[in-house]
Amino acid sequence: LAKTTQPISMDSYEGQEVNITCSHNNIATNDYITWYQQFPSQGPRFIIQGYKTKVTNEVASLFIPADRKSSTLSLPRVSLSDTAVYYCLVGSPDSSASKIIFGSGTRLSIRP
Amino acid sequence: EAGVTQFPSHSVIEKGQTVTLRCDPISGHDNLYWYRRVMGKEIKFLLHFVKESKQDESGMPNNRFLAERTGGTYSTLKVQPAELEDSGVYFCASSQQLRNEKLFFGSGTQLSVL
Repeated sequence: LAKTTQPISMDSYEGQEVNITCSHNNIATNDYITWYQQFPSQGPRFIIQGYKTKVTNEVASLFIPADRKSSTLSLPRVSLSDTAVYYCLVGSPDSSASKIIFGSGTRLSIRP
Repeated sequence: EAGVTQFPSHSVIEKGQTVTLRCDPISGHDNLYWYRRVMGKEIKFLLHFVKESKQDESGMPNNRFLAERTGGTYSTLKVQPAELEDSGVYFCASSQQLRNEKLFFGSGTQLSVL
């Protein structure tokens, strides 16, 4: 069971780049790393997924070092609307769904 | 394309009553998941359907919870009889063929048991 560890909360300001790091020391060979974003009164929303090195989409970038024991979600030029809880999950297509743990997430607060 | 739809958005019932939550996944998504978050706790997995079959129901808390997905389309989650500790937000999610790939979540049902 790949457990993840993230900071409980982070604060930043509009226009800044925000990096949220997740530790997953016992990640398995077949595991992918997936990040979700959750706003109040909504379900989690997929942001990005990666296996190694760097992945970028229109929303964020995901940096994964060679040992894959951690990953960093990078949000460029955040705005107030990026205030949300961010979850890092680890698992593979072969895993039982019950093995993919949401954890406590990181509560990101963006200030003007 | 319509997203995952959950109904009702809120439900307030008394202890001992029955409540049925409904989830309509994205059309064509074989995988359907139920999760819940009780007050102050993390989002927890309840169960996973592949089409109409229960693939993994290891997260179901007890036999007061019954999930069905007849015909492999929408799913219902019935709580009977409801207890105070069942209060929380119940989320449904769906995904396409591969398990544990990108999950699409509904907005959840806020259940309050008084």
